Amino acid sequence: QVQLQESGPGLVKPSETLSLTCIVSGYSISSAFYWGWIRQPPGKGLEWIGSIHHSGSSYYKPSLMSRVTISIDTSKNQFSLKMTSVTATDTAVYYCAREYCSGGRCYPEDPWGQGTLVTVSS
Amino acid sequence: SFELTQPPSVSVSPGQTASIICSGDQLGNKYACWYQQKPGQSPVLVIFQDNKRPSGIPERFSGSNSGNTATLTITGAQAMDEADYYCQAWDSSTGGVFGTGTKVTVL
Repeated sequence: QVQLQESGPGLVKPSETLSLTCIVSGYSISSAFYWGWIRQPPGKGLEWIGSIHHSGSSYYKPSLMSRVTISIDTSKNQFSLKMTSVTATDTAVYYCAREYCSGGRCYPEDPWGQGTLVTVSS
Repeated sequence: SFELTQPPSVSVSPGQTASIICSGDQLGNKYACWYQQKPGQSPVLVIFQDNKRPSGIPERFSGSNSGNTATLTITGAQAMDEADYYCQAWDSSTGGVFGTGTKVTVL
């Protein structure tokens, strides 16, 4: 069965770059589906960040697009998130998830990763 | 930009029916999904493509979507259904959008 696991630093300084990796097991990332990132600030709602297909096709939330890059490494069966110039408002639990896309419409499907808390603080 | 709005909270008595509304401009023209999130856990998909249930999701969960409103209905709510629920839809300009979330209390 497919499993996703986020990894990366739990603490990032303001103005620096947040880097996370999602390791996928039980399913080839080179097959169908997009692979995405979602975040949730403490006590708040879910926010979609973006997603990528192994072909290189990607989507990003417009308001984050200037700071976010999602990449994919099929040789390691993992994908990554980089977010530059972070501030305290980027403090959140970051989830990775497989996304089903059809007719240009996508949604994260189960399972999601367990999530990793990233705190932006000096 | 495309936004989805939900009521902050909904209360339901055990065994009764709870309806959670998700509002967005011409939402009925897009597919709506619903996620359940319990404290400290990752979200779980309970409805996709407006009204389809993933394998393992109880039949008491159902969905509909028309006009500007999508609705998640829990028929015969149980204590285990107490959670936060989020709607989601895809917009061609905005990408993936989640609703503001609704806390369902079963009491």
